[in-house]
Amino acid sequence: AQKITQTQPGMFVQEKEAVTLDCTYDTSDPSYGLFWYKQPSSGEMIFLIYQGSYDQQNATEGRYSLNFQKARKSANLVISASQLGDSAMYFCAMRGSRSSASKIIFGSGTRLSIRP
Amino acid sequence: DGGITQSPKYLFRKEGQNVTLSCEQNLNHDAMYWYRQDPGQGLRLIYYSQIVNDFQKGDIAEGYSVSREKKESFPLTVTSAQKNPTAFYLCASIDSMNTEAFFGQGTRLTVV
Repeated sequence: AQKITQTQPGMFVQEKEAVTLDCTYDTSDPSYGLFWYKQPSSGEMIFLIYQGSYDQQNATEGRYSLNFQKARKSANLVISASQLGDSAMYFCAMRGSRSSASKIIFGSGTRLSIRP
Repeated sequence: DGGITQSPKYLFRKEGQNVTLSCEQNLNHDAMYWYRQDPGQGLRLIYYSQIVNDFQKGDIAEGYSVSREKKESFPLTVTSAQKNPTAFYLCASIDSMNTEAFFGQGTRLTVV
């Protein structure tokens, strides 16, 4: 069965510092995709970054990068130079490639708070 | 502009009534999903559909039903059998490259 684990319920970070949000996953599917989403208090889900299991390089999108360690089954999100607007819930998610595993499952999330 | 539309944004219902939440997308995506989110919690999968006229149960399907008669539409019915229906409901679809799932703005359902 597929599973996503986020072990940090909450984090406090000083503005302008870098922050790493942890995500580990479990799947028997040889091909899968990993996603990170940001959810501000408004409830909308904002897509941040995607990593395919066969991608050779770690994904990057502006201040966001994904530290993908396939052997460890981890996909940590790194936010560089944090800003006050980064305060939100962050969710890691995974989707398999087989038809029976095409559901997208989410972790329990990490609430990130940026201190001025 | 393409996107996913959920309506209504807020919904109030009396206990024991069925209620249907709308989800429409014009992104031409095949796969669509329904999630439930309780305060401070993650997203739990209710139902998902990969193609028209086909759908599968997610992790918490009991008390819910769906239909997929058109590619663009994936309505969710919260039945009276759902013991605690008050929650935030999110609908999503995924692109053909499977690299981004697009979400609607969500529906906050309150049952009184």
